[in-house]
Amino acid sequence: GAGVSQSPSNKVTEKGKDVELRCDPISGHTALYWYRQSLGQGLEFLIYFQGNSAPDKSGLPSDRFSAERTGGSVSTLTIQRTQQEDSAVYLCASSFSGLSGTEAFFGQGTRLTVV
Amino acid sequence: QQQVKQSPQSLIVQKGGISIINCAYENTAFDYFPWYQQFPGKGPALLIAIRPDVSEKKEGRFTISFNKSAKQFSLHIMDSQPGDSATYFCAASKSNTGKLIFGQGTTLQVKP
Repeated sequence: GAGVSQSPSNKVTEKGKDVELRCDPISGHTALYWYRQSLGQGLEFLIYFQGNSAPDKSGLPSDRFSAERTGGSVSTLTIQRTQQEDSAVYLCASSFSGLSGTEAFFGQGTRLTVV
Repeated sequence: QQQVKQSPQSLIVQKGGISIINCAYENTAFDYFPWYQQFPGKGPALLIAIRPDVSEKKEGRFTISFNKSAKQFSLHIMDSQPGDSATYFCAASKSNTGKLIFGQGTTLQVKP
């Protein structure tokens, strides 16, 4: 694929259910980021993977949130026991390296609605 | 904690006018300051970026002005066009990471 691909594009779930959001980064990109965009808010950093290094999880809002990146490529963001405040657009980005100044390419996001 | 503060939250400009969006940061370790443009239903895309060793960078109608001592930077859109209507985010990152800290965003509307 030419760009970062996220699936599903939309997800409606019931409060208390678990959800998994998927991100396929650009081939060859070693860095992968997850951000959350709530209505009228900026992009909130969640987690960052760089190569084989331990991920930077400093932005995860609670222990209900987790993410993994398998084989240095595809990443899955999991939200357990979803709450209404989890409703947001979840954006994934990748970059060629994890160094400052390297352009981050974003996917179109997954819009999560918790009802 | 909000490390990058952006203003205004929304902006309306007439076609042909100048759009100005401002950002201020707190962490002096930041060394990369990009601006991202986001259209509805799309992910943000890099518009223009600057490093703190220069005070200004221009690409077409878009200019970043950077004031290191004041810890502020701004985006100027000259000859604003309706197609520029979008949400603009400033961001910053530190040298040892590509992790971007974003401002709250500015919704720009350019009226024909």
